[in-house]
This record gives sequence, C-alpha cells and structure tokens, in this order.
Amino acid sequence: GAVVSQHPSWVICKSGTSVKIECRSLDFQATTMFWYRQFPKQSLMLMATSNEGSKATYEQGVEKDKFLINHASLTLSTLTVTSAHPEDSSFYICSATHADRGNQPQHFGDGTRLSIL
Amino acid sequence: KQEVTQIPAALSVPEGENLVLNCSFTDSAIYNLQWFRQDPGKGLTSLLLIQSSQREQTSGRLNASLDKSSGRSTLYIAASQPGDSATYLCAVRNQDSNYQLIWGAGTKLIIKP
Repeated sequence: GAVVSQHPSWVICKSGTSVKIECRSLDFQATTMFWYRQFPKQSLMLMATSNEGSKATYEQGVEKDKFLINHASLTLSTLTVTSAHPEDSSFYICSATHADRGNQPQHFGDGTRLSIL
Repeated sequence: KQEVTQIPAALSVPEGENLVLNCSFTDSAIYNLQWFRQDPGKGLTSLLLIQSSQREQTSGRLNASLDKSSGRSTLYIAASQPGDSATYLCAVRNQDSNYQLIWGAGTKLIIKP
C-alpha cells in the first residue's frame, strides 16, 4: 500500500529555533498534501492544504508566516515552524493524496512530536 | 457546514466482546467516509473507506456501515482483543471539498484482558 514518510519523528529544541518537518510520499506522486496539528486528547486540526507547485491554502487562524509550507515536488512537502515558541509544541501530522486517487484512502505519516523548551 | 460527531468519547470493554463505535455527520452530501485508528503518540492507520454509493465495507474483524440519508456510520469490531485498544477516528470527505477531511473527535477504546 501507499506509504507516507514523515521526518523527524521527534524534535526537542530551544525557543526561537526554526524547525523543518518533511513529508514524503514514497510510492506515489502526491499532488495534494495536508498538514495537521493535534493537541493531546484532541482530534486533528487541519492547518493547511498544499498543492504541488502552488502556494499553500491556510485555514483560518493559522499564521502563514509562522508555518511555512513548501510543496516543490510531487513527493515532498515541508513544514517549517519559524521562531518556534513553547506554545508551538504539538504533534504535527501530514497526509498525502493524488488527484487520481480521490476515491482512495488518504495516507498519513507517523507524525512529528515537537517540543519547544 | 459539515460537522462530525463520535459517540461515545471513550469505551472500555472486556476482551472477546463485540462492540460498535458510532459516527454521525450533519451534511449527507459526502464523497466518502473513512475510519482510522491512532495509537498513542503515533500517526493514523486507515482501516476502512466507504464510498458514498456503498453501504458497508469489511476487513477481517472490522465492518463499517454507512447510512448516508440518516448521516450515520458505525464501525463494528468483532471478538475484540487487547491489541484493538486505540483511538478510532472517523472522517468524511465532502463532495465539494479539495480532498479535505472533516474529522470526528474520536472514540478511545480500551479492551481489558
């Protein structure tokens, strides 16, 4: 089945650091990738939708200058948390799909746990 | 605006029992509905996907049903095992969405040995 790889799985860094998270589709071309944030014991919150070759569409309340998304190729999207602060600590998950796979399940990465000290 | 609700929020049952998890949605104009499993601190595993034209899907001990007109889906787990303990999430894709999924809050399932 389709595999989505997310890296790193865990990051601990100091406040003010910028952190980049990668999301790769390993066996299919992902025209669309989604970035989610999940707080403890809560469901997923969609942050942004990323289409290959175009600017990401951010959900209301998500700062695009804070959470930079790049989807430059059909197999890779990155989320950069700029000047991270403790309130940015969370679990970030990506998912990927392709325009021809709309009737198939979305596939998710294993998530990245971000802890800002 | 589509809203997805999962009841109960948590469920604890003895091993071996059959159980049903519920998912309801407010707008019946969906493209499909998907059930996921999430283990603590992990990503999501897709369990079953039901297209809007389908009534149910089965995979092993899991059976998911869909009643689009009433806005409901159920996930039936037969002969539950401790390894089934996880949070189960349902998500719907609307007909007019760019593949976006609308999520329920999940049901945390604990199977007691």
